[in-house]
Amino acid sequence: GAVVSQHPSWVICKSGTSVKIECRSLDFQATTMFWYRQFPKQSLMLMATSNEGSKATYEQGVEKDKFLINHASLTLSTLTVTSAHPEDSSFYICSAVPGLADYEQYFGPGTRLTVT
Amino acid sequence: GQQLNQSPQSMFIQEGEDVSMNCTSSSIFNTWLWYKQDPGEGPVLLIALYKAGELTSNGRLTAQFGITRKDSFLNISASIPSDVGIYFCAGRGGGSEKLVFGKGTKLTVNP
Repeated sequence: GAVVSQHPSWVICKSGTSVKIECRSLDFQATTMFWYRQFPKQSLMLMATSNEGSKATYEQGVEKDKFLINHASLTLSTLTVTSAHPEDSSFYICSAVPGLADYEQYFGPGTRLTVT
Repeated sequence: GQQLNQSPQSMFIQEGEDVSMNCTSSSIFNTWLWYKQDPGEGPVLLIALYKAGELTSNGRLTAQFGITRKDSFLNISASIPSDVGIYFCAGRGGGSEKLVFGKGTKLTVNP
């Protein structure tokens, strides 16, 4: 149980274009999802907290107009990187919290974004 | 952002050896978690600790929640090649859902 998927697993895009990454909880409903970014050989850095049906809460220094988050249902959150630049190239990982009796975060497999 | 102090940064050991890594924080946490991340994958939860002093095992893995609530350690006994990966500690506290991650310990096991 507690399986989280991400799509796509990797994506290459040109500078200036937008990219959408999906995060799905496959066997549970998640009231809260988190989006992280991880640069090579570094730890996970939280970008934003996403709650179903409400606006995402962004961490300090994360541009909300650049990283659009939509948590439209209890099983799906999306992260859209708008007007991507090479410095946005990174490993993006989402996590989901089942809630109720299980408050831990279960992570997706990550999405490798390369902006050329 | 806030981070935990995790050590060592990397370890090179022989198969069969025991491993120990730890995390410390200047803040008190209510929950300590240990994750393992393989290359190109997301972290996988290994052990969750919820009480100060708690000692929990998961197979060959044992972790403890420090009595001061500011530290935790993870031990791996009789290491095997598939233990290779990056181990992250994470803490949660102050009524927040958010996790604070350590910088990771990269483990290499030589057969």
